[in-house]
Amino acid sequence: GAVVSQHPSWVICKSGTSVKIECRSLDFQATTMFWYRQFPKQSLMLMATSNEGSKATYEQGVEKDKFLINHASLTLSTLTVTSAHPEDSSFYICSAGGASGPTDTQYFGPGTRLTVL
Amino acid sequence: AQTVTQSQPEMSVQEAETVTLSCTYDTSESNYYLFWYKQPPSRQMILVIRQEAYKQQNATENRFSVNFQKAAKSFSLKISDSQLGDTAMYFCAFCNTGNQFYFGTGTSLTVIP
Repeated sequence: GAVVSQHPSWVICKSGTSVKIECRSLDFQATTMFWYRQFPKQSLMLMATSNEGSKATYEQGVEKDKFLINHASLTLSTLTVTSAHPEDSSFYICSAGGASGPTDTQYFGPGTRLTVL
Repeated sequence: AQTVTQSQPEMSVQEAETVTLSCTYDTSESNYYLFWYKQPPSRQMILVIRQEAYKQQNATENRFSVNFQKAAKSFSLKISDSQLGDTAMYFCAFCNTGNQFYFGTGTSLTVIP
């Protein structure tokens, strides 16, 4: 099956710094990728839809200036958490696939744990 | 906005027995897709089963089957012959035609040896 990777798998940073998380589709092209956030023992919350070559679409309540998304190529989307604070600590998951619509399988990355001190 | 509700935060089942996980959803759309995902301790999301809303026949995947009641907006997952490896968080998900997923709050399933 298709593989989606994320890097880094775990990052610890100081409050006020910015952190970039990469999401890559390794063996297929993804015009659309999705970013989720998951707090401990909670569900995945859709943050934004990342579209290759255009601006991301953010869900209501998600600060676009806080969570910068760039989808520069068909295999790479990045999420940058700007001026991170402890409340941004969470598990961030990306997914890709579904080029032909929801009948295609969505492939999820393994996630990135962000810890802001 | 779509909402997905899983009313069972935790469940347990004896190995080899059958268990059913509940899921209801709310949408005004007529064309959509429903999924069950499994998230083991590794936190990697794994697709368990998928159902297209326009199909009346319930999806089946080996030991996993669904009971899809479109009018009631219900989508339950039945796991037969439960195995220890089935222990995980299970998330019900709704996907619209824009390919956006909305997840339920999850059910933690423990299979007891």
